[in-house]
Parts: sequence; C-alpha cells; structure tokens
Amino acid sequence: GDSVTQMEGPVTLSEEAFLTINCTYTATGYPSLFWYVQYPGEGLQLLLKATKADDKGSNKGFEATYRKETTSFHLEKGSVQVSDSAVYFCALLMNTGFQKLVFGTGTRLLVSP
Amino acid sequence: EPEVTQTPSHQVTQMGQEVILRCVPISNHLYFYWYRQILGQKVEFLVSFYNNEISEKSEIFDDQFSVERPDGSNFTLKIRSTKLEDSAMYFCASSGDLTGSYEQYFGPGTRLTVT
Repeated sequence: GDSVTQMEGPVTLSEEAFLTINCTYTATGYPSLFWYVQYPGEGLQLLLKATKADDKGSNKGFEATYRKETTSFHLEKGSVQVSDSAVYFCALLMNTGFQKLVFGTGTRLLVSP
Repeated sequence: EPEVTQTPSHQVTQMGQEVILRCVPISNHLYFYWYRQILGQKVEFLVSFYNNEISEKSEIFDDQFSVERPDGSNFTLKIRSTKLEDSAMYFCASSGDLTGSYEQYFGPGTRLTVT
C-alpha cells in the first residue's frame, strides 16, 4: 500500500542553521505531496504542497521539491528560527483527490537560541 | 479565514462509556474526515464522508465507531463503548470546495482520555 517514510527525530539545531528533513514515499500512482506542521499543543497546519513531479512547494521560508525519480519530498529551510520548533509531517494524497492522507511518523524539530 | 472547529478540546471518559466528538467543517466543503493520533505516534486515517455516506474507512474504524452529519453544519464521530486504547487526539478535516480543491484543512483536535 501507499506509505511515507520520514527521518527519525528529534532534529536539534541552533538558530539560523540549515534544515533538511528527509521524506520518501511509496505509491502506486502519482500522488500529491504535503508537509504539515504541528506546533506544541496545536492541530495540523498545511505548510506546503506539490501536486506533480518537479513542482516546488514553498511557504514561510520552507521549500520542498517533488522528485519522482527518487520518490522524495525533502523539506528544507535556509535559516531556522526558534519559532520553527514543531513536529513536521510529510503526507501523500493520491490524485483521485478526495481520499485519505497517508502520513509519515513525523519529525520533531528543536531549535535553540 | 474559514477554519475547521472542534469541540470539546479535551474529553475525559470512563471505559465503556459513549462519547461524541463534534466538528464544524468549513462551510462550503463537501468532504469530511476523521483522523486520530495516539500520543507520540503518526496521524492515522479513520474515515471519510461524502454526500451523507461513508466513502472510505480504515480497519481501525470498526463497529464501535460511527459518523454522522446531523444537520448542515456539524460532523460527529461517536465511539459507542470506549476502550483504553481509544485514548488519542482526534482530528476532523474537510476539503473539496466548488473549485475542486482537495487540500484538507484540519481542526485543532479533541484530546480523548479514557480511564
């Protein structure tokens, strides 16, 4: 079945460091890919998305590029802030549209001043 | 900006009791979902709902669970006889406006604690 694999956390960085959180997927078709963020004590917020190969999603300084050849959607940010501390979930949705999101296990990011 | 709301934010119940978790999806959305997240684990799909019927359900969604859209705005998840292992954060989501957007928007969640 469809699945998403994320790197284990926690990822601990100092402020202004470069961030990469790896995400790879397995899917029978051509999914849309998403990154959701969960701040402490809050729900899931859509961070960015990409719907087809080579698309780049971006938001709030975060970027991720849909790489079909490596089935990956790695999240990057050039300079993290303490306020970016959260759990980040990679997810896929098959392009028939109205189906379930399949989530990875989440990666906790801790940014220290 | 429209948002999905959920009530209550925290529900404590005793094993064997029935609970109803409530959600108000975004008003022009057509598809509704429930997911759950056991503490420290991944977010898992429970059920999707469209046109007043279940579209898809996971193996987690057994006979103890049911969903309903009792009126034009609410979407509920009922657990008939709660078990300890039902303790989790339950998220409602909605998608599918008239533009055909399939992005799912999540509510803040209801933390269910079964004792």
